[in-house]
Amino acid sequence: KQEVTQIPAALSVPEGENLVLNCSFTDSAIYNLQWFRQDPGKGLTSLLLIQSSQREQTSGRLNASLDKSSGRSTLYIAASQPGDSATYLCAVDDYKLSFGAGTTVTVRA
Amino acid sequence: EAQVTQNPRYLITVTGKKLTVTCSQNMNHEYMSWYRQDPGLGLRQIYYSMNVEVTDKGDVPEGYKVSRKEKRNFPLILESPSPNQTSLYFCASRATGSGNTIYFGEGSWLTVV
Repeated sequence: KQEVTQIPAALSVPEGENLVLNCSFTDSAIYNLQWFRQDPGKGLTSLLLIQSSQREQTSGRLNASLDKSSGRSTLYIAASQPGDSATYLCAVDDYKLSFGAGTTVTVRA
Repeated sequence: EAQVTQNPRYLITVTGKKLTVTCSQNMNHEYMSWYRQDPGLGLRQIYYSMNVEVTDKGDVPEGYKVSRKEKRNFPLILESPSPNQTSLYFCASRATGSGNTIYFGEGSWLTVV
């Protein structure tokens, strides 16, 4: 059974600081890994998708890396802004789709 | 526009009264799945379906049923709801294979009293 862990569970940083969010998984036989953002009481917004053959993906201030051999992915958010405050979830797609519990980020103005 | 549509979005019901939460996608995706989200527990998979007439249990299937008679629809059935099924429910879909984005519905808030 795939186990997905996200560390830390919560993070509070001043505006402008870079964010580093971690996701680890136990079974490396995956199709993709996808990062989502969720605002309180809302649905999930897809941020980045990394295919199993890729090492990283970038979109604007966001960069996600994938190391299948060690079972890890990291989401980097550069120059954080108060609007980045949300919960960030990683989803490991091994046909079942398993989620971590998320990292709740607060960016202080 | 690519969409996963859930209904109802909000529902308050009583213990034991059967209910169905519908999920429909317009992208011809093979894979569909249901999740519940509870504070501190993240998203937990209830059931998933790899294609029409192919369904399997996720991590927390007790108290739920599903069916997949058509490719676009994947309803979640609570035969006899109980208060511990009060939760936020999400439906998701994607095409089979690598590199395919997961699409989520907007969520259904269910309260069982």
